Amino acid sequence: EVQLVESGGGLVQPGSSLKLSCVASGFTFSSYNMHWIRQAPKKGLEWIALIYYDSSNKYYADSVKGRFTISRDNSKNTLYLEMNSLRSEDTAMYYCAKEYRYSEGYWGQGVMVTVSS
Amino acid sequence: NIVMTQSPKSMSISVGDRVTMNCKASQNVYNNIAWYQQKPGQSPKLLIYYASNRYNGVPDRFTGSGYGTDFTLTINSVQAEDAAFYYCQRIYNSPRTFGGGTKLELK
Repeated sequence: EVQLVESGGGLVQPGSSLKLSCVASGFTFSSYNMHWIRQAPKKGLEWIALIYYDSSNKYYADSVKGRFTISRDNSKNTLYLEMNSLRSEDTAMYYCAKEYRYSEGYWGQGVMVTVSS
Repeated sequence: NIVMTQSPKSMSISVGDRVTMNCKASQNVYNNIAWYQQKPGQSPKLLIYYASNRYNGVPDRFTGSGYGTDFTLTINSVQAEDAAFYYCQRIYNSPRTFGGGTKLELK
């Protein structure tokens, strides 16, 4: 059974940093592209980052480019999102997702990040 | 960047009705569209990929269609459990932009 479990969220002050993790199980993690998507409270979905299965390519939404870094450790079946210079508008539920035919085939349960002073 | 526009923003439907919702891309995205369902308090779930392919286990009352810039998600004989938000997404190329969503409510 595919499982994606996010962690590392919490309440942080504007300008600070946070690193999210997503531990994968139930599939060959090293064979799949992985994504991060976020959802601000009561708002729609926003795709924010993609990393290829072998880390050879990474893509970002304009809203996070230069501040967020996606990475992975295939030996630990873990996806990461390092977030710097956090702003109030980064407050959201953050989901990791496993790619399927270029879609988000399976989503984790999400982890909440709140940026507030 | 390509903008995905969904309409209507919300709709109220009776059980058993047929519902159609739309997704329009600002540029040609060929068939590179996915549809997702998100129920309250849950993570989104993939329904349709490549515009018209049903994902594993998705009931056949869900049908996706369209090509180029205009896409449609149709639910035949809506069930109570279909009350949710529905999102389209441009796939294949990045950024993988989502539409703003359509809220489906049951009367």
